Amino acid sequence: NAGVTQTPKFQVLKTGQSMTLQCAQDMNHEYMSWYRQDPGMGLRLIHYSVGAGITDQGEVPNGYNVSRSTTEDFPLRLLSAAPSQTSVYFCASSSSGRYNEQFFGPGTRLTVL
Amino acid sequence: DQQVKQNSPSLSVQEGRISILNCDYTNSMFDYFLWYKKYPAEGPTFLISISSIKDKNEDGRFTVFLNKSAKHLSLHIVPSQPGDSAVYFCAASVGGKLIFGQGTELSVKP
Repeated sequence: NAGVTQTPKFQVLKTGQSMTLQCAQDMNHEYMSWYRQDPGMGLRLIHYSVGAGITDQGEVPNGYNVSRSTTEDFPLRLLSAAPSQTSVYFCASSSSGRYNEQFFGPGTRLTVL
Repeated sequence: DQQVKQNSPSLSVQEGRISILNCDYTNSMFDYFLWYKKYPAEGPTFLISISSIKDKNEDGRFTVFLNKSAKHLSLHIVPSQPGDSAVYFCAASVGGKLIFGQGTELSVKP
């Protein structure tokens, strides 16, 4: 099992550019989520999904879109990047019965200039 | 408004002694509390959890205590080891969401 994988590991964007952060898991987990980590702020939930075709907003959803067409994949889209979106992004997954015990990917470090 | 707070950004402990990490919360609807551990350049890993109906949960060297009246939880690590040096996040769950604290960086010195 590869667990939770994220690509790319690093990315630099210019303001206004768009991109998609990829997240995949091979554990057949129903629950997937995206967080961002900023200094002094901990991890903040952006969007989450309880299963294919179902997504919902977290604490800080503005500027981000998600979709869940398969159980395995949960991409995060930045439609028009802003410097405030400079952060480390983590994807996580868990089984529906144990959604608290989430498995995290290694993260994507994004810089928006 | 921060619903889960870790007021100590860092903690330094001697190897073999006890490490106590603290966390406070404001939302009485939280149903589960968890601790995650994070090494640099890696994602957090789940460490231990406790249901809101319990006041203690133990797993090896790690014990989590919950004081609901004070809205406070703590993680005890006994004995502390240099490999425990990491950032520790407390988290609380409600309605399918996890809310994290800011993290405490633990340094265990040999």
